[in-house]
Amino acid sequence: DAGVIQSPRHEVTEMGQEVTLRCKPISGHNSLFWYRQTMMRGLELLIYFNNNVPIDDSGMPEDRFSAKMPNASFSTLKIQPSEPRDSAVYFCASSFTEADTQYFGPGTRLTVL
Amino acid sequence: AQSVTQLDSQVPVFEEAPVELRCNYSSSVSVYLFWYVQYPNQGLQLLLKYLSGSTLVKGINGFEAEFNKSQTSFHLRKPSVHISDTAEYFCAVTLNQAGTALIFGKGTTLSVSS
Repeated sequence: DAGVIQSPRHEVTEMGQEVTLRCKPISGHNSLFWYRQTMMRGLELLIYFNNNVPIDDSGMPEDRFSAKMPNASFSTLKIQPSEPRDSAVYFCASSFTEADTQYFGPGTRLTVL
Repeated sequence: AQSVTQLDSQVPVFEEAPVELRCNYSSSVSVYLFWYVQYPNQGLQLLLKYLSGSTLVKGINGFEAEFNKSQTSFHLRKPSVHISDTAEYFCAVTLNQAGTALIFGKGTTLSVSS
């Protein structure tokens, strides 16, 4: 298996622009997680899905952030409008169940100017 | 709700020295425990996990951890570290109940020098 795939790997955008991050989980995994990592705040869980249904989105910073999982093999995290404080590395992870070992993607490094 | 505390944010050691990275958790029910490692510019990967059974868990790269229920700890150890072990290490806990996911600690940066 190719592992969790994230795209793009790097994204540089200007404040106010829409940003869409993409994730393809490992085939057969039922849970998908979106994390944000910064030096100041460490690793934060933003949202996670079980069987394509959002279970806990309490970590989503504000209404500018939204996540979807239209099918078992694809998820997006959208930021609209983006702000400089959104600059971070965003990780996607997947697992068989929400309590099982999570497999992380390589991350998307987002820079908002 | 469960939580996890990594007691040291940075641990500098010399090559071939032993190391212990400390992790404590809080929970009123049984938990599953994990250690993940993150090398520079990479995602996290699993080192080892405790689900049940033997309290001493062996993982990859010579690491091991011991689950201590009375002290609510899950410290990570390696008897002799290498330069290549330089990375950030995360402890994580979950209740294995519907609607709960892994809770990660803030991480410990292990720096190994020669």
